[in-house]
Amino acid sequence: QQQVKQSPQSLIVQKGGISIINCAYENTAFDYFPWYQQFPGKGPALLIAIRPDVSEKKEGRFTISFNKSAKQFSLHIMDSQPGDSATYFCAASMRSSASKIIFGSGTRLSIRP
Amino acid sequence: GAGVSQSPSNKVTEKGKDVELRCDPISGHTALYWYRQSLGQGLEFLIYFQGNSAPDKSGLPSDRFSAERTGGSVSTLTIQRTQQEDSAVYLCASSLGGGLPKYFGPGTRLTVL
Repeated sequence: QQQVKQSPQSLIVQKGGISIINCAYENTAFDYFPWYQQFPGKGPALLIAIRPDVSEKKEGRFTISFNKSAKQFSLHIMDSQPGDSATYFCAASMRSSASKIIFGSGTRLSIRP
Repeated sequence: GAGVSQSPSNKVTEKGKDVELRCDPISGHTALYWYRQSLGQGLEFLIYFQGNSAPDKSGLPSDRFSAERTGGSVSTLTIQRTQQEDSAVYLCASSLGGGLPKYFGPGTRLTVL
């Protein structure tokens, strides 16, 4: 049972373009939605996170958009750079147990120079 | 400032053997997490330690898996009587006050032959 569905599995974007990764969830008890970035040979690192009481959160070139009614959220990377090439994981957790994260399956992003 | 470190980086073992994986969290971080990453299951929560509280072991897949954290710092994940399905990258993370894991180590790649 996949509680957090992520798409696409892989994505190629030209340098300077916008990268968009989408996720959907079923469990309405989830109330915290982080994104992680993982480079080859490294562990994941927390990139940005959002709570469902806001529809958008922006940090630099990274923006999370959240649609509570549709139970969907997405990551937008503006002005994508080759250094953004990595695997991105969306995730969800509950406030009562934020340590226990349910991860999406990951999106391998490649930014072409 | 060193990050989370894990050892060994790679471990190859035979089915039925016991293995110990080590995690050194960032100094001063009270929360420590173990996750594993495999092709078939993606990223899965295993166990969470927070200060002197009882650990959350709800993610451990079987009683062959156990973990301890000595002195509130170093943690060891032990897998007894390893099986081929235990093959995965075992990731450790730590954070200052709990909640979302922020900093993952590079992982230990376990291969069970």
